[in-house]
Amino acid sequence: AQKITQTQPGMFVQEKEAVTLDCTYDTSDQSYGLFWYKQPSSGEMIFLIYQGSYDEQNATEGRYSLNFQKARKSANLVISASQLGDSAMYFCAMRERTAGGTSYGKLTFGQGTILTVHP
Amino acid sequence: DADVTQTPRNRITKTGKRIMLECSQTKGHDRMYWYRQDPGLGLRLIYYSFDVKDINKGEISDGYSVSRQAQAKFSLSLESAIPNQTALYFCATSDPTQGAGETQYFGPGTRLLVL
Repeated sequence: AQKITQTQPGMFVQEKEAVTLDCTYDTSDQSYGLFWYKQPSSGEMIFLIYQGSYDEQNATEGRYSLNFQKARKSANLVISASQLGDSAMYFCAMRERTAGGTSYGKLTFGQGTILTVHP
Repeated sequence: DADVTQTPRNRITKTGKRIMLECSQTKGHDRMYWYRQDPGLGLRLIYYSFDVKDINKGEISDGYSVSRQAQAKFSLSLESAIPNQTALYFCATSDPTQGAGETQYFGPGTRLLVL
């Protein structure tokens, strides 16, 4: 089964409007971390926001917020007041503990969502 | 200056050639990673190193090898390049003391074309 699922290959939004990018995850661990990265057309991977599984508040970073619904295993990224520069590929990722449960292991990435912001 | 650098940024090579991609970091992180990105497949982990003496295979290590020369340097080699290794390659670093919030920081990527 996919660890990270991003069901929206592409999304469109009007400039200045809000948009939600979906991410669902699969884990049996109680302690894990969820991340969102942005990849503009230039190719670099830019860290946006992090949510810990034990965090009671939804994470926020400027215009980015993470709508974390633990019971539903979803970690959707909300971008408010979209800007033309937000047009990019967005990746959701998760870190779980290693098999021994003593440390945190690798990141697993979803396949990404391409966001296009229209003027 | 960038915290994570990759050289070269672009490379064209021929089938059968051995090539090396290099990664350097000034973040002081112990952990380093190599990923490849193919269209529609997201990022896939090739190799990772949790410290200089600890190197591990990722999900797609066949055809690749790595060397961790120092805490700051992690190189990826394609022993005999083949066309389906054409991809965008990323190096990343992370600090394990962050626990579950351990964030990976990426280099700018290397675009490799194997003819």
